[in-house]
Amino acid sequence: GQQLNQSPQSMFIQEGEDVSMNCTSSSIFNTWLWYKQDPGEGPVLLIALYKAGELTSNGRLTAQFGITRKDSFLNISASIPSDVGIYFCAGQLVGTYKYIFGTGTRLKVLA
Amino acid sequence: EAGVAQSPRYKIIEKRQSVAFWCNPISGHATLYWYQQILGQGPKLLIQFQNNGVVDDSQLPKDRFSAERLKGVDSTLKIQPAKLEDSAVYLCASSPADEQFFGPGTRLTVL
Repeated sequence: GQQLNQSPQSMFIQEGEDVSMNCTSSSIFNTWLWYKQDPGEGPVLLIALYKAGELTSNGRLTAQFGITRKDSFLNISASIPSDVGIYFCAGQLVGTYKYIFGTGTRLKVLA
Repeated sequence: EAGVAQSPRYKIIEKRQSVAFWCNPISGHATLYWYQQILGQGPKLLIQFQNNGVVDDSQLPKDRFSAERLKGVDSTLKIQPAKLEDSAVYLCASSPADEQFFGPGTRLTVL
């Protein structure tokens, strides 16, 4: 079945540092979504990417849709304590509205 | 705009009991999803509705899980009978097209 490999699995960083995480797959996707999930809550949509090569920003967050359509990355610049949480990527399978989710990157920010 | 609503937020049951979850999607969203999220993992799709029709239920354990979306708006997900391994967060999401928006989830504990 389709799988999304998300890395790193977890990160401990100092406040103010930049963060980078990525998702890769052997499958091609139409759309990439990046989510943040806080404990006890549902995932919150951060960024949506619709075209190969697309680079999109949302405040301190920047995400890119890989040229091969098989990968995506998310960067967070100048991290702050409220960036703590689990970040998930999700890829939309071609010809469907079905999404496959990555395993998540757990981010901890040390003040 | 109101988000995706889910209830209850928490449920504790004994194994072999039945349980039902309710979801009210964002108004006007034709597509509704139910996901299962086991601790430490990404959401896994159980069933996808387009209006009141099932688009994908390939990963729904149909011997014990059922879902319906009468009238193409609200949806319920039922488990009967529950097993220990059903302990998870059940997330509902809705989508107008390519983006998915999640509710807060229902945390189910099966004892």
